[in-house]
Amino acid sequence: DIQMTQSPSTLSASVGDRVTITCRASQSINTWLAWYQQKPGKAPKVLIYKASTLESGVPSRFSGSGSGTEFTLTISSLQPDDFATYYCQQYNSFSYTFGQGTKLEIK
Amino acid sequence: EVQLVESGGGLVQPGGSLRLSCAASGFIFSDHYMDWVRQAPGKGLEWVGLTKHKTASYSTEYAASVKGRFTISRDGSNNLLYLQMNSLKTEDTAVYYCGNWRAGRPYWGQGTLVTVSS
Repeated sequence: DIQMTQSPSTLSASVGDRVTITCRASQSINTWLAWYQQKPGKAPKVLIYKASTLESGVPSRFSGSGSGTEFTLTISSLQPDDFATYYCQQYNSFSYTFGQGTKLEIK
Repeated sequence: EVQLVESGGGLVQPGGSLRLSCAASGFIFSDHYMDWVRQAPGKGLEWVGLTKHKTASYSTEYAASVKGRFTISRDGSNNLLYLQMNSLKTEDTAVYYCGNWRAGRPYWGQGTLVTVSS
């Protein structure tokens, strides 16, 4: 199985900050990567798919980049609603593995 | 609009069985991969397994942690996805989400809680 290593595990930041979350795959996954945002008690919400395609309705401050084995999710200017846990998921090959998650906290 | 609605969760004893359902609408059910993902309390997301589309004969793939115990199937007449879970363990306690993949884009339901406890 492909392993997905997400970093950092926890990120403390302030409203207005630019933040970046990284996801590394143990082998190439081309651009078959999705990013999710999850808030407590809620289902994950799709933010980005195919590494860089912004899901409809997601604010443009979210962006994704990368291909092969290294990927990033960037939030250009943090808003209060963005404090949540973020996950990456590869869907290049089975099993469709997830990163361990990044909890974005208010500093 | 794609809609996925899970049902069938509940409390079951270790060693027991449970079948989850996912009612799908808003797309041609036979044309797309469907999968299950779970999340144990306070933990991250874990992919459970998948059934491919009709062209691939609805073949299935499973995570190692559930292979041989869980079975994914479809009822194409009623646009239902199933997850049959046998020999349940306490570590199978989780919210189970149904998912759909269309043109490389995932869609998720809201989940159903399964608790395995004596």
